[in-house]
This record gives sequence, structure tokens and C-alpha cells, in this order.
Amino acid sequence: EADIYQTPRYLVIGTGKKITLECSQTMGHDKMYWYQQDPGMELHLIHYSYGVNSTEKGDLSSESTVSRIRTEHFPLTLESARPSHTSQYLCASKDGNYNEQFFGPGTRLTVL
Amino acid sequence: SQQGEEDPQALSIQEGENATMNCSYKTSINNLQWYRQNSGRGLVHLILIRSNEREKHSGRLRVTLDTSKKSSSLLITASRAADTASYFCATALSNDYKLSFGAGTTVTVRA
Repeated sequence: EADIYQTPRYLVIGTGKKITLECSQTMGHDKMYWYQQDPGMELHLIHYSYGVNSTEKGDLSSESTVSRIRTEHFPLTLESARPSHTSQYLCASKDGNYNEQFFGPGTRLTVL
Repeated sequence: SQQGEEDPQALSIQEGENATMNCSYKTSINNLQWYRQNSGRGLVHLILIRSNEREKHSGRLRVTLDTSKKSSSLLITASRAADTASYFCATALSNDYKLSFGAGTTVTVRA
């Protein structure tokens, strides 16, 4: 079982709210990733980090932002949530360059 | 754009039968990985095959890779109800530490 955690698991909020999705891993992995996935669809990379104080935008444009102040923590923030942000958000991490990624259980976000 | 594409999109089989799904990709890769996702959960890594490997086994899983055709297949033998899930292939490029995922194959194993 991978030691990567995401909270909350489910979140229902109103439009305009600011939210932060938490992701933590205890494996000491340097590389971390955020994906967005609609039901039954592929994963889209929205942010990634290769180490502390390093963050990059992914292939899918996203209005969210991320930070990496500590190796184990990679939170994702939406300043003003909209219904179009409704989706599942998956966090992953890995060590090394070309190894497998370990995924958290995901946060299912619904914006009303 | 997504590098990998799985085929078929969905597959329904009887328990005990084999399930085969394919993945095609567009550019040269360092390795190709297969993941499983149960409904509403995160992905679980199944197997990684490097570009210089042609076949790999793990339990009831068999993966092949044909770099000349830019394709891979995942075979699940003697399927069980617990194998019901979505299966994704993901490619890792040689100069990149990210993965590119396909849209997945949804497998339903009927008891």
C-alpha cells in the first residue's frame, strides 16, 4: 500500500469559494504530480514538481495553483471555485527518473 | 496531447476467461507502464516494461511491447470478478519525468 494521502476524499462547495486539496507522501519522493480526471476519462496532468520550491504547469491548463515548500507536501489551491472545476483530482509521487508513480485515493470535487 | 490510446474502450468477459487490451503510442519511449483503477479510486501500478524489453510477466499479467509498431498489449489470464476495473497504459519519454496516460479500457468480469 502506497503511503500517499489526499484530503478531503469528497468535497461539495459553492461557486466562488477558495479551496485547498491536500496531498502528502511519506516515502521521501522528490517528484510529485497532480492530475485531473473526469469520470471514465483519461488523466490530464495539471501540475508537477521535481523538488522543493520547484513547480511547473502540466499539459492541461488549470486555474489552480500549487506549492512545494516541503518534500512530503504538495497542496493544490483553487482561489475561486466554479462548476467547471467539478472533477476528480489525483495526486501521485515517485522517486528516480523513470519509475512507476504511486497514487493517492483522489479527491472528488463538486462545485455547485 | 495524450501519447497513449487503449483499445478496446470497454470489454466484458466471463470469469475464468482471458482479457486482452492494447495500447498504441506516438513517439519513442523510455518505458511503458500499465495501471489499474477501481471505480472512484486512485491508480495502482501493475507492471513496467522498458523499451529494450519485449515481454514481461507478473502473476496473471503478461505485457508485450513492440517498439517498431509503437504498441503494447496487456493480457489478464483466468480473470476474476476482482479484476473488474479500468486499465490505463502510460508512456514515459526518455527526456521527461512525466507520464502520458491513455483513455483506458474498462473491463467487466461477469461471475
